[in-house]
Amino acid sequence: GAVVSQHPSWVICKSGTSVKIECRSLDFQATTMFWYRQFPKQSLMLMATSNEGSKATYEQGVEKDKFLINHASLTLSTLTVTSAHPEDSSFYICSASPGRGEKLFFGSGTQLSVL
Amino acid sequence: AQSVTQPDIHITVSEGASLELRCNYSYGATPYLFWYVQSPGQGLQLLLKYFSGDTLVQGIKGFEAEFKRSQSSFNLRKPSVHWSDAAEYFCAVGAYQAAGNKLTFGGGTRVLVKP
Repeated sequence: GAVVSQHPSWVICKSGTSVKIECRSLDFQATTMFWYRQFPKQSLMLMATSNEGSKATYEQGVEKDKFLINHASLTLSTLTVTSAHPEDSSFYICSASPGRGEKLFFGSGTQLSVL
Repeated sequence: AQSVTQPDIHITVSEGASLELRCNYSYGATPYLFWYVQSPGQGLQLLLKYFSGDTLVQGIKGFEAEFKRSQSSFNLRKPSVHWSDAAEYFCAVGAYQAAGNKLTFGGGTRVLVKP
């Protein structure tokens, strides 16, 4: 079945540094990928929709300059948390779909801890 | 705007007993409904989905869900729970898009299984 690979699985960084998270669709092309954020014991909140070859669409309240999304190819989207702070510590999950009406496949998530 | 409510934050059930997880949604059009399961520190796995047709949907791992339009509900059931079913379960409603579904998640229900 379709697989979405997310890397790294976990990362610890110092406050003020930037962290890049990759999301790859391994056996299908995805013109659209989605980035979610999950705080402990809470639900997933959609952050942004990543569109191949164009700008990402951010949900209300999500800082575009803080969470940079690049969807450079049909199989890769990256989320960069810039100048990370402890409040950015969270579980980030990406998802992608092979196409119209197809179900979403989720990556295994990235646990970010900012010290 | 679409929304999903999972009234039960925690449910404890004995192994072998039946399980029902409640999900109520609000959506302006025909909803696309999903149930996902998440194990600790992991991504999400799709259990089942409803797009149209038969309102009783069969999924993986012995789960089923019933779509009731009159009640705006999509409750998940399993006749006999196994210890491996202990996890967090999320109901989601999707906004149909050209490339994959943009999901809104409920708050989740944590299932604990007693021996």
